[in-house]
Amino acid sequence: GAVVSQHPSRVICKSGTSVKIECRSLDFQATTMFWYRQFPKQSLMLMATSNEGSKATYEQGVEKDKFLINHASLTLSTLTVTSAHPEDSSFYICSASQGTYNEQFFGPGTRLTVL
Amino acid sequence: KQEVTQIPAALSVPEGENLVLNCSFTDSAIYNLQWFRQDPGKGLTSLLLIQSSQREQTSGRLNASLDKSSGRSTLYIAASQPGDSATYLCAVRSGGSYIPTFGRGTSLIVHP
Repeated sequence: GAVVSQHPSRVICKSGTSVKIECRSLDFQATTMFWYRQFPKQSLMLMATSNEGSKATYEQGVEKDKFLINHASLTLSTLTVTSAHPEDSSFYICSASQGTYNEQFFGPGTRLTVL
Repeated sequence: KQEVTQIPAALSVPEGENLVLNCSFTDSAIYNLQWFRQDPGKGLTSLLLIQSSQREQTSGRLNASLDKSSGRSTLYIAASQPGDSATYLCAVRSGGSYIPTFGRGTSLIVHP
């Protein structure tokens, strides 16, 4: 199957700093990338959908000024958590697909801990 | 709004047992249903994808069935092994929506 990578796999930062997470599709061109958040023992919740070259579409309740998403190329999307606070600590997972309705391939996730 | 429920939430079995994980969904107008495996602190690994027109899919010791009319899917794992220990997630994509709805998962432990 298609391979999606995320970097970093784990990050610890101080409250108030910004953190950037990268999501890359390694062997296919991803026209659409998705960002999810997962709290312990909870299901994945979609945060936003991004299409290459367009502004991201955010789900209800997700602050677009806090979670900045950039999808500048067909193989890379980034999620920047601005002015991170302890409540932003979570597991962030991206997925990529070759079309909004096509199968999504998931990355390995990034564990963010904000002190 | 689609809701996905997985039962049981946790399961512990001895090695070698055959077991069934359940997934139910409220809106039967689905596009597809997918089963994933998630190891602790890791991302999702796709196990089986069942399109709405299909009744089941098989891969090795895994068999997933789909009954749209009753809003149910089951994941059958034959001859379980300790390496099968993980959380199993069910995700349903409703017709006309590209956004999958995930269940909370079943945490499986297979002990030697």
